[in-house]
Amino acid sequence: GAVVSQHPSWVICKSGTSVKIECRSLDFQATTMFWYRQFPKQSLMLMATSNEGSKATYEQGVEKDKFLINHASLTLSTLTVTSAHPEDSSFYICSARQPGRDYGYTFGSGTRLTVV
Amino acid sequence: GQNIDQPTEMTATEGAIVQINCTYQTSGFNGLFWYQQHAGEAPTFLSYNVLDGLEEKGRFSSFLSRSKGYSYLLLKELQMKDSASYLCAAMDSNYQLIWGAGTKLIIKP
Repeated sequence: GAVVSQHPSWVICKSGTSVKIECRSLDFQATTMFWYRQFPKQSLMLMATSNEGSKATYEQGVEKDKFLINHASLTLSTLTVTSAHPEDSSFYICSARQPGRDYGYTFGSGTRLTVV
Repeated sequence: GQNIDQPTEMTATEGAIVQINCTYQTSGFNGLFWYQQHAGEAPTFLSYNVLDGLEEKGRFSSFLSRSKGYSYLLLKELQMKDSASYLCAAMDSNYQLIWGAGTKLIIKP
C-alpha cells in the first residue's frame, strides 16, 4: 500500500533556531500533501495544504512566514519551523492523498518537536 | 460552520462490544472516515463510508446515515490493544477532511 515516510521522528531544538521536517511518498506520487499539528489530547489541526510546484495554502491563523512549506517534487514536501518558540512544541504529521483514490489518505509517522 | 462531535472518552471491558458515535455538519459531503491513533503515533486508517449503511471489516464495522449526519464505529471482541483514540473525520465538498477531537477508548480487563 501507499507509504509516507516522515522524519525526523522527534527533535529537540533551542528557541530561535529552525527545524526542517521531511515527508516523502515512497511508492506513489503525491501532488498534494497536508501538514497537521496536534497538541496533546486534541484533534488534528490542518496547518496547510502543499501542492507540487506551487505555493502552499495556509489555514487561517497559521503564519506562512513561520511555517515554510516546500513541495518541490512529486514525492517530497518539507515543513520548516523558523525561529522556533516553546509554544511551537507539538506533534506534526503529514498526510498525502494517493491520486485517483477518494479515500487514499496516508499519514506519515509524525514528528514530535520540543523547543527548549 | 463545519463541525464534528464525538464523545471525549469511553470505557469498555475486554471481550465486549463498544459503539463510538459521531455526528457531523459539513459544507457538502464526500465521505466519512474513521482512524485509530495510539498515543504518540500517527493515525491509521480504519474505514471509509460514503453510502448509507453498514460496512463490516473483521472486528470493526462502520455505519453511516447521510440524512442524519451520523456515523458510528462498532468494535467487537475488544482486545487490550484496541485502547487508543478513535478519530472521526468528514470530507467536505472541497475534499478537505474535517476532524473530530477523537474519542479515547479505555479497555479494562
